[in-house]
Amino acid sequence: QQQVKQSPQSLIVQKGGISIINCAYENTAFDYFPWYQQFPGKGPALLIAIRPDVSEKKEGRFTISFNKSAKQFSLHIMDSQPGDSATYFCAASKGNQGGKLIFGQGTELSVKP
Amino acid sequence: DTEVTQTPKHLVMGMTNKKSLKCEQHMGHRAMYWYKQKAKKPPELMFVYSYEKLSINESVPSRFSPECPNSSLLNLHLHALQPEDSALYLCASSLSGSVTGELFFGEGSRLTVL
Repeated sequence: QQQVKQSPQSLIVQKGGISIINCAYENTAFDYFPWYQQFPGKGPALLIAIRPDVSEKKEGRFTISFNKSAKQFSLHIMDSQPGDSATYFCAASKGNQGGKLIFGQGTELSVKP
Repeated sequence: DTEVTQTPKHLVMGMTNKKSLKCEQHMGHRAMYWYKQKAKKPPELMFVYSYEKLSINESVPSRFSPECPNSSLLNLHLHALQPEDSALYLCASSLSGSVTGELFFGEGSRLTVL
């Protein structure tokens, strides 16, 4: 029940294309769903996050779509750029343990020029 | 200042050594965390300190000993580690440990145990 399942494990996209990464969760107590971006040799950095009271959140080229009934959420990267090449982790946490992030397994994104 | 600073960046130690990892933040955050990350894997939570008190220990072996001297500093003391403990150790902080919100991660300390 604590797991967050992420797919695909790796993704290759052409420059200008759309990158889509999907996550699914079981625990309905989760109330915060962030996406972290990690470059090699760096720590993860928050990219965008959503709470279950909204179905979509957009920040620049990055959009989270959230389906509460299906217990799924996804990250869309529009107009993907080579600089977006990184590992992306979805995560979830619940209110009384806000810092206890349950991470998905990660998606290694490569954007080809 | 939105940085979490970790030292050292790299550490090589033998199984009989004692060493410490250090973490510092000056964002006024009251929760600090240690995560462990193996290659091509997600970070795994080890410890949470909330208001300088240990609030979560994810059943971490006693050869890892956390310490929070004040609200800005977090240490991880290492003793008698095993080669399988080699990993990237990430420190993070957030406004509060009991409310969901952004975690700010440091760049990590890459530990190699020989």
